[in-house]
Amino acid sequence: NAGVTQTPKFRVLKTGQSMTLLCAQDMNHEYMYWYRQDPGMGLRLIHYSVGEGTTAKGEVPDGYNVSRLKKQNFLLGLESAAPSQTSVYFCASSYRAWAFFGQGTRLTVV
Amino acid sequence: AQSVTQLDSQVPVFEEAPVELRCNYSSSVSVYLFWYVQYPNQGLQLLLKYLSGSTLVKGINGFEAEFNKSQTSFHLRKPSVHISDTAEYFCAVTGMGGANNLFFGTGTRLTVIP
Repeated sequence: NAGVTQTPKFRVLKTGQSMTLLCAQDMNHEYMYWYRQDPGMGLRLIHYSVGEGTTAKGEVPDGYNVSRLKKQNFLLGLESAAPSQTSVYFCASSYRAWAFFGQGTRLTVV
Repeated sequence: AQSVTQLDSQVPVFEEAPVELRCNYSSSVSVYLFWYVQYPNQGLQLLLKYLSGSTLVKGINGFEAEFNKSQTSFHLRKPSVHISDTAEYFCAVTGMGGANNLFFGTGTRLTVIP
């Protein structure tokens, strides 16, 4: 039972490049989330999804896009990376408010 | 929306001493409350949760927390800490119903001193 799996685990991007982070869960959860974690700021919600084919903006959505084409996958895209997007990104899925987190993706934009 | 305030960014404590990590929340609706622990270079792991019922909640690794509605608090306690408890602890809140979006505090770094 893998739970929530994020790929890749590490990535370095140049300013202006694009990339997609993949989150996969095998628990059949309806709700999925993308957070970013920055020192002294806790976790902030970027986007979330309440089911296949649906997405919604969180606290800090600017510069990111998401898609939920399949129930088990939630993709986070950066169209034109900026140094301010250097962060650790966590994906989570939840059932009845109980969230399960992936191991994180450490992204550096230079 | 909901919000969480963790009053202490860092808490050093000697091994086998008790510890309390403070958490206050704000919400216009009834809430669920959580504590998560994050060990270095790892994801977040659920420590305990309050959904309803008894206001004293027991979690893993000997931790417990008490929900106090009048003081809008959900402080985390452990009577005797171990070196292995050194980690970052996050308090989180979500409103009942809806998308269950979790709102996190800024975290408390617990350092257990041998």
